[in-house]
Amino acid sequence: ILNVEQSPQSLHVQEGDSTNFTCSFPSSNFYALHWYRWETAKSPEALFVMTLNGDEKKKGRISATLNTKEGYSYLYIKGSQPEDSATYLCAFKSGGGADGLTFGKGTHLIIQP
Amino acid sequence: NAGVTQTPKFQVLKTGQSMTLQCAQDMNHEYMSWYRQDPGMGLRLIHYSVGAGITDQGEVPNGYNVSRSTTEDFPLRLLSAAPSQTSVYFCASSYSTYRGQQQETQYFGPGTRLLVL
Repeated sequence: ILNVEQSPQSLHVQEGDSTNFTCSFPSSNFYALHWYRWETAKSPEALFVMTLNGDEKKKGRISATLNTKEGYSYLYIKGSQPEDSATYLCAFKSGGGADGLTFGKGTHLIIQP
Repeated sequence: NAGVTQTPKFQVLKTGQSMTLQCAQDMNHEYMSWYRQDPGMGLRLIHYSVGAGITDQGEVPNGYNVSRSTTEDFPLRLLSAAPSQTSVYFCASSYSTYRGQQQETQYFGPGTRLLVL
C-alpha cells in the first residue's frame, strides 16, 4: 500500500489571505501526481495532473508545484475566497503498470469571511 | 454529454443481500474505476478496468465483483452485503492511463450512498 500524506488535515483561512498545503508521496517509481477539489455534496473535480519534476501548474488563483525527487507537492491558493472552501485531494500514481490512483485523505479548507 | 452517471443515489440493504451499483460514462473513456469513501480514510480503490473485458483489483476488493462487457458500463456487485460495506461509492473514468497528463484526468460520478443494516 502506497503512503500518500496530506497536511494539514484542516485549515481555517481568512478571506483574502493566501494559503498553501502539502502532499507527500513515495519518491520512487513516480509517474504522476493529481490534485482534485471536492466540494461538499459534490464529486471530486480535477485541478491538475503533474508528471515532471519541477512542474508548476496554474488555474486562476490556484497553483501547484511538484518535487518528485523528494516526494512532495504544494498547492497554493492566492487571495482566498469563500468559494474556495472545499476538501483538496492529492493522488499519486506509480509507474510500471495500470494501477489506479492512491489518494491522500485530503486537506479540508474553510475560508472565513 | 452526461459524463459519469451512477445509480442508485442512495440504497439501504440488509446484511446478506446482494445488489449491483451501476456506473456508465458516455465519453468513450478506456479507464474506469470504483472507489469507496469512508470518514477519515479518504478514497480507496476497489476495482478498476483499463478497457472492455479487462478488470483488476485495487486496494480493497474483498466482497465486491466487477465486470466490463462494454466500454460504457462498469457495474460493481456486492455479493453478500455486510455493515462494513456501508460507505459512499464513487465511480470514475479517464481516457486512458500512461498516455499523458490530460488523458489521465479522472472524472467522477455523483456517488452512491449505501447503508447496510
